[in-house]
Amino acid sequence: EVQLLESGGGLVQPGGSLRLSCAASGFTFSSYAMSWVRQAPGRGLEWVSAISGGGDVTDYADTVKGRFTISRDNSRNTLYLQMNSLRGEDTAVYYCAKDQSAGSSGWFQPWGQGTLVTVSS
Amino acid sequence: QPVLTQPTSLSASPGASARLTCTLRSGINLGRYSIFWYQQKPESPPRFLLRYYSDSSKHQGSGVPSRFSGSKDASSNAGILVISGLQSEDEADYYCMIWHSSAVVFGGGTKLTVL
Repeated sequence: EVQLLESGGGLVQPGGSLRLSCAASGFTFSSYAMSWVRQAPGRGLEWVSAISGGGDVTDYADTVKGRFTISRDNSRNTLYLQMNSLRGEDTAVYYCAKDQSAGSSGWFQPWGQGTLVTVSS
Repeated sequence: QPVLTQPTSLSASPGASARLTCTLRSGINLGRYSIFWYQQKPESPPRFLLRYYSDSSKHQGSGVPSRFSGSKDASSNAGILVISGLQSEDEADYYCMIWHSSAVVFGGGTKLTVL
């Protein structure tokens, strides 16, 4: 069974940093692209970033470009999101999601349960 | 104008059909894209429902009933999700999505109420 488990969320002050992790199991991790998608309280889904299975191709939403960095450790079956210069508008539940191929397509199945990031002083 | 526009809400009766639309911004050619649909219930992560490109290129999510179906309406440049035989458990938020210009784009979501 494919499982994705996010961790690393919490309360952080504006301007601060946080690193999210997503531990994957039940599939050959390196064969699939992965993404981070967030959802602010009471709002819709917003894609954040994607990384190819090999880790050589990354894409970012304009809202986080230059502040967030996606990476992966295929030896540890773990996806990461390094978030710097955090703002109040980054407050959201962050989901990791498995794509259906080595390249990103947005075909996300399944999704993790999410981890809450709150940016507030 | 957003890339993808969905009605904010929709209501339908149990046993009826619901037709959810996802309109692509003018200038974005519907025929070039697969439309993905996701369902989200309160306090749960989204769930993949289906992908629709054409009648010969489509995919149903694992465990998703066949009463969920996708299509396209070229005349309105919109992707369509039809849920037939509505059940109370279908009450949820529904999001469409495309991969556009090296980015994932979600619609704003439609809240479906079954009453």
